[in-house]
Parts: sequence; C-alpha cells; structure tokens
Amino acid sequence: EAGVAQSPRYKIIEKRQSVAFWCNPISGHATLYWYQQILGQGPKLLIQFQNNGVVDDSQLPKDRFSAERLKGVDSTLKIQPAKLEDSAVYLCASSNRDRGLQTQYFGPGTRLLVL
Amino acid sequence: DAKTTQPPSMDCAEGRAANLPCNHSTISGNEYVYWYRQIHSQGPQYIIHGLKNNETNEMASLIITEDRKSSTLILPHATLRDTAVYYCIVRSNYGGATNKLIFGTGTLLAVQP
Repeated sequence: EAGVAQSPRYKIIEKRQSVAFWCNPISGHATLYWYQQILGQGPKLLIQFQNNGVVDDSQLPKDRFSAERLKGVDSTLKIQPAKLEDSAVYLCASSNRDRGLQTQYFGPGTRLLVL
Repeated sequence: DAKTTQPPSMDCAEGRAANLPCNHSTISGNEYVYWYRQIHSQGPQYIIHGLKNNETNEMASLIITEDRKSSTLILPHATLRDTAVYYCIVRSNYGGATNKLIFGTGTLLAVQP
C-alpha cells in the first residue's frame, strides 16, 4: 500500500513570496491533516479535513495560510505572503476509521526555508 | 499543551532493550496512549497504541500501568536504525477534532554501537 505522498520535498523562497504544498493521502483515507513542525519542536496541527470539509482549523493563521481539499482526496496548503517564522517542515497525514480507531500515517514532509 | 511528560534524551546500547517511559497522570478513561517516532528528516512513524492492556506488535511492546498514569515503550533489541525522537501522545477516539495528535518534544533515543 502506497503511503502519504508530498511534494515538493524542499522549497526555498524569499519573505513575502507565496508557496504551495501538495499532499496525496493513502487511498481511501477520509481524514487528512496538515501539521507544521518548527526545528526542535514536535509537529503542531494546522488544519484537519474530513472528506472535503474542515473539522478543525483553530491553529491555522488564516491571514496568510489557506488549505483546500476540493474533491476529498488531494490537498494543497498555501502560504501567502510568507514570513521568516514560517520556516519549518510541513507534514501531511491521513487516517481512516479502522475498528473504531483513527491511526494517522504521515508523509515525508516539505521542508520550507524562508529567507 | 501535551498531556504527557517524557525524558528529553536516553542512550541505549545496540542489541539491548530500550525502555522509554512516559507519564500521563491526567489521562481520562476514553483516552488511548499512542507512540510515534521520528527518524531524522522523516515524517513521524506510528509504532503502537493501547488503552489499558499491554500491547505488542512487530516493532515494540507497550506496557501500561494498572492506574494508566504511566506507560513504557519497549524496543526489545535496539539497532542503530532505532535512533529517533519518540513521542508519547494521549488522545481519545471519539472522532472529529478529538483525532488530532498533540505532540510534546519527545525523547531522543540514541542507540550506541
């Protein structure tokens, strides 16, 4: 079974530029998550989708971050405009209810450096 | 904030068992204990989870105390490839926003040759 796919793996941009990340979850997984991981810290949830609807976006900085999952499969996360403090690894995860449990499986992440 | 407390780092000799402790004294009855690990430059990898019984799979064993206030992840024969940050997380399985994982800073396990 293929895992969670993310692209690009690395991105370097200048502050005030925009950037987009793409995620393809495990086939059949209804729930998709975006996490931000700053160096030296654990991942922090930005947004959670159930199919194409948003379940939790309480930690998403909505003035600059946006995310969509239009057809309930792939998702994109966008930052516009980027700030220096957005330098981090952006992780995508997916899950599905299996015997009542929702175990999340993570992709390799996109490493963003904002200069 | 994370609901768990873990030591920041541990060492283990290659081939020996690695025992990683986790305190979760405020865990509630419907919350599970999950363990993930993150090898350098990779995404977190699911290891194991449990509610109140001890659990074992091909990667590790999870021992949960009877009062459920602490647990231990056991890697029976650690290898150099087990060097990683190990995260202990508690969460419910009610669905919706309760599915989110709240990561702390984890334990950096260094397996020494």
